[in-house]
Amino acid sequence: QVQLKETGPGLVQPTQTLSITCTVSGFSLTSYYMQWVRQTPGKGLEWMGFIRSGGSTEYNSEFKSRLSISRDTSKNQVFLKMNSLKTEDTGVYYCARGLEYWGQGVMVTVSS
Amino acid sequence: DVVMTQTPPSLSVAIGQSVSISCKSSQSLVYSDGKTYLHWLLQSPGRSPKRLIYQVSNLGSGVPDRFSGTGSQKDFTLKISRVEAEDLGVYYCAQTTHFPWTFGGGTKLELK
Repeated sequence: QVQLKETGPGLVQPTQTLSITCTVSGFSLTSYYMQWVRQTPGKGLEWMGFIRSGGSTEYNSEFKSRLSISRDTSKNQVFLKMNSLKTEDTGVYYCARGLEYWGQGVMVTVSS
Repeated sequence: DVVMTQTPPSLSVAIGQSVSISCKSSQSLVYSDGKTYLHWLLQSPGRSPKRLIYQVSNLGSGVPDRFSGTGSQKDFTLKISRVEAEDLGVYYCAQTTHFPWTFGGGTKLELK
C-alpha cells in the first residue's frame, strides 16, 4: 500500500529556512519521481520541483534559487529545503508520487 | 510558463445532474512523444488532491466511470455524469508536458 507522510514545522520565521521530510512506504524511491507541490492562498497549487528515480532534480524557476530537493533512499525519505522564507510562502506543502499519490500535506505558517 | 485557464470558477449542481468543466492551456500540451499530459484532480474539502484522470481521458484507479475527459492540443473538458454528493469539492486541471508543471485555478463544485 502506497503511503506518503510529510513532517515539518508548523511555524517558521521570515528569512529562515523551511525543512520538510516526506516519508514513503509501499514503493521504492529509486523507481519513481517524487515531487513537491504547495498550495497557497495567493497562488493556489504550485509545482515546486521533483527528484527523479535516478536522483537528479528539476526545479520550478520560481523557487530555483532558494529550493533544494534531496532524498535518502535507505530511509525512504525525500527532503525539501527552502531558504529566505517570506510571508507569501505560507501554505500547505505536499509531497506526491507523480500526481497519483499525495501525502496529507503539512501546513506551514511564515510569521514572526 | 503554460497558463491553465479553467471555467467556470464555480458550479452549483443538483445531485444526479451532469456537468462539464473546461480547461484551456496557453500552449499545446502535446509532448514530443505524441502524448498529451493533461490531467484532472479533485480536492475534496479538507483533503489532499486526488487524481481522477490522466493523459486527457484515462480514468485513474478506482475512479467511477461517471467521470470522463476529452480534448486535444489546448482545449480540454471534464464531464461528470450524474453528480453524487461525494463529487463535491474543487476540480483542477494540470499539465505535465512543459516545465514548470502548472495547475488551473480550480472549479468549485457545490450543491444547489
